[in-house]
Amino acid sequence: EAGVTQSPTHLIKTRGQQATLRCSPISGHTSVYWYQQALGLGLQFLLWYDEGEERNRGNFPPRFSGRQFPNYSSELNVNALELEDSALYLCASSRNRGAGTEAFFGQGTRLTVV
Amino acid sequence: KQEVTQIPAALSVPEGENLVLNCSFTDSAIYNLQWFRQDPGKGLTSLLLIQSSQREQTSGRLNASLDKSSGRSTLYIAASQPGDSATYLCAGTYGGATNKLIFGTGTLLAVQP
Repeated sequence: EAGVTQSPTHLIKTRGQQATLRCSPISGHTSVYWYQQALGLGLQFLLWYDEGEERNRGNFPPRFSGRQFPNYSSELNVNALELEDSALYLCASSRNRGAGTEAFFGQGTRLTVV
Repeated sequence: KQEVTQIPAALSVPEGENLVLNCSFTDSAIYNLQWFRQDPGKGLTSLLLIQSSQREQTSGRLNASLDKSSGRSTLYIAASQPGDSATYLCAGTYGGATNKLIFGTGTLLAVQP
């Protein structure tokens, strides 16, 4: 069974541009989570999607947005990129939105803003 | 505020040693606690999940315990190997409307051959 897959692996963008990151959850999983891991800041929760709806978002500005498609895959969009957006972006999926359902992570997308 | 802390921040041990990594959380109303492993620049690998109703979980050389009353979890690694070298993260889920994982800052483990 394939795990959580993310693309691209690496992404280099210029300040002010937009970045689109993609995530495919484990087959059968309906919930997708996005986390940011910036150097020295640890893992911070960004967004949670389940059954196509945004369920919760972390303390990030509106230029961080996303969506979940009918096949449960997800996209994270970051507009007006800033240098401090450089980070490893991790996607996770879980079987459902039940509390405490185990989360499985992908290998991440390394976003570098220059 | 729900916070998770890990001690120590870094640990270096000789191969073959048994070791314990510590995780503390401020809010005892935790749904579950997960331990992850992260290799440099890579994603997270789930090691163990302990539900709030459980006290411990075991997988191979790994054993994790959960004590909600004291707000602590420990990850015990038996007979450490150089391949165990990585950053170990614990994360708690509090469910409800958020269902997000709150991560600790991690322990960087180096097992010397």
